[in-house]
Amino acid sequence: LAKTTQPISMDSYEGQEVNITCSHNNIATNDYITWYQQFPSQGPRFIIQGYKTKVTNEVASLFIPADRKSSTLSLPRVSLSDTAVYYCLVGAVYNQGGKLIFGQGTELSVKP
Amino acid sequence: DGGITQSPKYLFRKEGQNVTLSCEQNLNHDAMYWYRQDPGQGLRLIYYSQIVNDFQKGDIAEGYSVSREKKESFPLTVTSAQKNPTAFYLCASSPGPRGNSPLHFGNGTRLTVT
Repeated sequence: LAKTTQPISMDSYEGQEVNITCSHNNIATNDYITWYQQFPSQGPRFIIQGYKTKVTNEVASLFIPADRKSSTLSLPRVSLSDTAVYYCLVGAVYNQGGKLIFGQGTELSVKP
Repeated sequence: DGGITQSPKYLFRKEGQNVTLSCEQNLNHDAMYWYRQDPGQGLRLIYYSQIVNDFQKGDIAEGYSVSREKKESFPLTVTSAQKNPTAFYLCASSPGPRGNSPLHFGNGTRLTVT
């Protein structure tokens, strides 16, 4: 299973762009990269998923370099409501028999 | 409106008692999961099930038991053998091993054992 490393915490201000990088040096060929957001006392919520290059949706962008050993979640113009823990998850249900493991996550604090 | 329902949201028990946490999904997903989260920590996998009547241990299965008699339901029992049962418990589901769809989570049950 691919191990992931993220910063434990990050601070930002409203209106800024925030980039959170996840390292996953032993990512496998079939692995996807998925990011989740978790607010206190709630379950994690899917944000974005990608395999290579760049993926963008209405919430965020995900940048994945050619070697796929890292990925960067980009949140444009954050607001106070983006204060949450963000998890990077590497793997795929179908090639890990369902055993998906979450890392420690990055606690993002957005200040006014 | 499809989703995962965990109940109750808060649960209090005395030490030495078994307690069962409910998880129901109407997403028609094959796979279901139980995670445990402690304050300031990530999620740790307790048990998972890819199909009805089958389940596997995760990383911290000791002191827990599960059943998967119906596709929609995956209850977790926290037994008296679990040394530190107080935690936030999260249930999740996914379509299963056929694809790569993300996990869908419930809103958790916070268990306090005194």
